[in-house]
Amino acid sequence: KAGVTQTPRYLIKTRGQQVTLSCSPISGHRSVSWYQQTPGQGLQFLFEYFSETQRNKGNFPGRFSGRQFSNSRSEMNVSTLELGDSALYLCASSLGGLGGGETQYFGPGTRLLVL
Amino acid sequence: AQSVSQHNHHVILSEAASLELGCNYSYGGTVNLFWYVQYPGQHLQLLLKYFSGDPLVKGIKGFEAEFIKSKFSFNLRKPSVQWSDTAEYFCAVIPNTGRRALTFGSGTRLQVQP
Repeated sequence: KAGVTQTPRYLIKTRGQQVTLSCSPISGHRSVSWYQQTPGQGLQFLFEYFSETQRNKGNFPGRFSGRQFSNSRSEMNVSTLELGDSALYLCASSLGGLGGGETQYFGPGTRLLVL
Repeated sequence: AQSVSQHNHHVILSEAASLELGCNYSYGGTVNLFWYVQYPGQHLQLLLKYFSGDPLVKGIKGFEAEFIKSKFSFNLRKPSVQWSDTAEYFCAVIPNTGRRALTFGSGTRLQVQP
């Protein structure tokens, strides 16, 4: 089975711009979660989507949004980028999602640099 | 909201030494607990997890962890580390009820010297 894939792998944007990141889960997985990883804050949960619905949400401002498509692929959007948004954005997929405590499989991440 | 503490930020060991990485969480209810590992240049991957039952959990590559409910701890252990265990280790917790957000600790960087 192919693993979780994320595109693009690297991205450079300037302040004020917006960005869309994509995540393709493992085939058959219906849950996709997004995380932000930074040296200062570590790994922080952004949100989880399951069957096209946002099921859980972390403590991030509304500039961070996401969606999930019927094929379980997910996108994350960050609007009005700030310097502090520079981070590695990780996507993880699982069969049933966070509620079942199932194993999450992580992708390689998208490294975003905001200048 | 739950939180996870990993007190050892950077650990340096020689090969064959024993390893114990601390993890403490704060949450009033029942939780599921995980240890993830990130090898240099690789994805995060699951080492082991605890949901219920035997509090001593065995994972991949000879790792194990013990859940001590009274201490809110889930320490990771390995009797004899290898150079290939050099990586960053993350403890994570998710509550069984309420907002199901996976909360990670800040990570412990393990460096094993040959």
